[in-house]
Amino acid sequence: GAGVSQSPSNKVTEKGKDVELRCDPISGHTALYWYRQSLGQGLEFLIYFQGNSAPDKSGLPSDRFSAERTGGSVSTLTIQRTQQEDSAVYLCASSFGPQHEQYFGPGTRLTVT
Amino acid sequence: GIQVEQSPPDLILQEGANSTLRCNFSDSVNNLQWFHQNPWGQLINLFYIPSGTKQNGRLSATTVATERYSLLYISSSQTTDSGVYFCAVGMNYGGATNKLIFGTGTLLAVQP
Repeated sequence: GAGVSQSPSNKVTEKGKDVELRCDPISGHTALYWYRQSLGQGLEFLIYFQGNSAPDKSGLPSDRFSAERTGGSVSTLTIQRTQQEDSAVYLCASSFGPQHEQYFGPGTRLTVT
Repeated sequence: GIQVEQSPPDLILQEGANSTLRCNFSDSVNNLQWFHQNPWGQLINLFYIPSGTKQNGRLSATTVATERYSLLYISSSQTTDSGVYFCAVGMNYGGATNKLIFGTGTLLAVQP
């Protein structure tokens, strides 16, 4: 079946602009995670959604970052007033439940100039 | 928070050689996954192995949860095995998030 998909695959934006990144999880997966991978920080957790529960936002680096998940499926990660340090690959993952194997999408490479 | 250490950080092999990658973690976990990140950046699932031993073709993995380590074995390596291997562990935070904490990876280069 189809895996996790993300769009766009690449995004170049100017400092100060807002960006939206999209994630389509595997059908039937109730848990959805956002991570990011950067040279200085490695792979780090950002935010987690599980069903209709309140999301775990403990990994978001600043209040410029937000995410939503509509209808228990598609998720959007929004970064406002982007900074150069936001440049990274943003990865989405989904799983059948919170204690199941996570599957990752191909990522969105964000470059802030 | 939990610490995840991988060794070695870098490894160069000749095609056909065998290798063992290690992952140590500092606390009890209920999820452990091994990934291969290919040159295009895609994280490919290798094993979901919070405990025990699993095998898939030339790859196998063993996790000894009581001693807080996991090993990934690669036999008869091929050039397509090149890339970064990540170990990631998850903990059950009161029944909620099972976020993965990643190690820093092992960069493997298999030479023909």
